[in-house]
Amino acid sequence: GAGVSQSPSNKVTEKGKDVELRCDPISGHTALYWYRQSLGQGLEFLIYFQGNSAPDKSGLPSDRFSAERTGGSVSTLTIQRTQQEDSAVYLCASSLSRGGGNEQFFGPGTRLTVL
Amino acid sequence: DQQVKQNSPSLSVQEGRISILNCDYTNSMFDYFLWYKKYPAEGPTFLISISSIKDKNEDGRFTVFLNKSAKHLSLHIVPSQPGDSAVYFCAASAGNRDDKIIFGKGTRLHILP
Repeated sequence: GAGVSQSPSNKVTEKGKDVELRCDPISGHTALYWYRQSLGQGLEFLIYFQGNSAPDKSGLPSDRFSAERTGGSVSTLTIQRTQQEDSAVYLCASSLSRGGGNEQFFGPGTRLTVL
Repeated sequence: DQQVKQNSPSLSVQEGRISILNCDYTNSMFDYFLWYKKYPAEGPTFLISISSIKDKNEDGRFTVFLNKSAKHLSLHIVPSQPGDSAVYFCAASAGNRDDKIIFGKGTRLHILP
C-alpha cells in the first residue's frame, strides 16, 4: 500500500488478556517506530527498529510490552496481561532511515480499550 | 520531565486570520524541529520542519520560526482556513545524536467561520 497500515483499528479487551497490534510500514522504510497517545497526552515513544540493529526499547513502560519486527518489515506490538492504564491509541510510524531529518509517516493507529 | 512543551491545549482563530501555535523546548541538544497535524481517527501527518541552522522556514501558508536562544519555536498559519482545524504537535530531535523524536502534547486549533 501507499502508506503505513495498522490493524486492528479498534480493540476492546478485558483486563488481564494479551493483545497483539500489527503495523505494516511503507515499503523500503528501514526505520519503524511505535508510539502511544493516552487521553490528553502527547505522543509517547515506545520502541523503534532500524534495519538489523538491536531495537531501542527505552520507551517501553513495563516488561508486559514487547515488539518484534520480522524480516525488516511488519512489526507486532504485544501487550501481555493488559491493564486499564494501557488504554490508548497506539501509533506506528516509519521513515526512510534514522535521524532527525527523516520525516516519519504515521499509520491511523489502533485504539485499545481495556475494560 | 517534558522536553517539548506546548502550553496551550487549544486555540480558536477566526477564518482568514493568522494562527500562531507556540512550542518551547528544554534540551539544548535538539537541532531539528517538526510540526505534525492530526485529524481525529487519523495518524499525524508531517507539516513542516526546520533545522537549527535556520531561523525561519516557509511553505505556502505555513511558516515556522525558531528562536534558539529562547528555545522557542512557533508555527504561523496565514490565512487560516476551516480545514486547518486539527491538533498540531510540535516535535524535536537531536538529529544523528539521538534519532528519537520527542513530541509535545499538542494544541487543538479551531478555525471559526
